[in-house]
Amino acid sequence: QVQLQESGPGLVKPSETLSLTCTVSGGSISSYYWSWIRQPPGKGLEWIGYNYYSGSANYNPSLESRVTISLDTSKNQFSLKLSSVTAADTAVYYCARYQSGYVELIDYWGQGTLVTVSS
Amino acid sequence: DIQMTQSPSSLSASVGDRVTITCRASQSISSYLNWYQQKLGKAPKLLIYAASSLQSGVPSRFSGSGSGTDFTLTISSLQPEDFATYFCQQSSSTPLTFGGGTKVEIK
Repeated sequence: QVQLQESGPGLVKPSETLSLTCTVSGGSISSYYWSWIRQPPGKGLEWIGYNYYSGSANYNPSLESRVTISLDTSKNQFSLKLSSVTAADTAVYYCARYQSGYVELIDYWGQGTLVTVSS
Repeated sequence: DIQMTQSPSSLSASVGDRVTITCRASQSISSYLNWYQQKLGKAPKLLIYAASSLQSGVPSRFSGSGSGTDFTLTISSLQPEDFATYFCQQSSSTPLTFGGGTKVEIK
């Protein structure tokens, strides 16, 4: 059973960089697409982007200038970096596995981690 | 970006009721439509993929239909554990986008 777990600071100051890590167990990240999705408090879901172990990243154009998603196959982890954050970036951040090919879906999610942007 | 519009945004229903939630895409997405259930404080859970395929382990009272721009999620007989928020999501093109959600509450 694949499991994902987010980790990282719960509080980030405005203008700084938000950094989160997702540790994957029960499966290798050397296949599938690995994604970040966020949900502001009380609101809907926003796809941030995904990356493949070969380095084929795809980001939401609304965030593309500030986002990097990278994979560390040696640790079976992937990470999110979001620069120049503002209060609008306050959200629960989920890491997730995205299947692409015969089917296109998000089948495994982490439990989510709340990141608050505040001074 | 493809916009996904869900309706209603919330509904009240009783245990045993048949519940229908609709999702409309701003352009044709073929059958690249997934449905998720989210309970309070939890991550979303995949229910239906490719518009009508039931994810493994999901009860058969859940079903999905539609193609092109109009889609439906149906719960044939609402159970206490089904009270949650439901989201549709399109996988036809990036950026992946989600509907605004439908909150199913107890009447």
